[in-house]
Amino acid sequence: DQQVKQNSPSLSVQEGRISILNCDYTNSMFDYFLWYKKYPAEGPTFLISISSIKDKNEDGRFTVFLNKSAKHLSLHIVPSQPGDSAVYFCAARFTGNQFYFGTGTSLTVIP
Amino acid sequence: DAGVIQSPRHEVTEMGQEVTLRCKPISGHDYLFWYRQTMMRGLELLIYFNNNVPIDDSGMPEDRFSAKMPNASFSTLKIQPSEPRDSAVYFCASTGGANTEAFFGQGTRLTVV
Repeated sequence: DQQVKQNSPSLSVQEGRISILNCDYTNSMFDYFLWYKKYPAEGPTFLISISSIKDKNEDGRFTVFLNKSAKHLSLHIVPSQPGDSAVYFCAARFTGNQFYFGTGTSLTVIP
Repeated sequence: DAGVIQSPRHEVTEMGQEVTLRCKPISGHDYLFWYRQTMMRGLELLIYFNNNVPIDDSGMPEDRFSAKMPNASFSTLKIQPSEPRDSAVYFCASTGGANTEAFFGQGTRLTVV
């Protein structure tokens, strides 16, 4: 059973606009949430994370929002750039335990 | 550090053959994970180790799959006998210390014909 879900397999956005990627989870005991970016023929690379005690974390153009009551997190990319085109995976974990990943969202930023 | 190193990068084998995938985690990391990437399930955890001990292997699809971690710097994932439905990209990842994120290798693309 998928504990982390990404319901949008793909997303297309114009360069310069905002990209919003969404993720839902089922287990309220998760204490860290992460976003990974994956280019073809490469391994996923860590992008940004957020602790369950926070509701927002920002790093440059990337911001992750956490809504614990809704068991929902989102990744905002502003402004979007063509180099951001990749597959984005949402993940969650308990400290000292495994990482649970979603199925990924393929983002295409159109120049 | 060179990061997580996986070998081979690509493997093509015939159905029924044994396949061994290899992983060298980042030095000092005490967790090692094996994932398989599929379209349906995304990054699916197969097994993970803590301090070389298997903690959860419930994701291993069948008895044909086995994994070992004989020491802190090496792990193998073996499929015997391999089947066409095992074709996928297999990733190894490690984490440890104060890190909250896992670091992934480049993956092994397995094709079973």
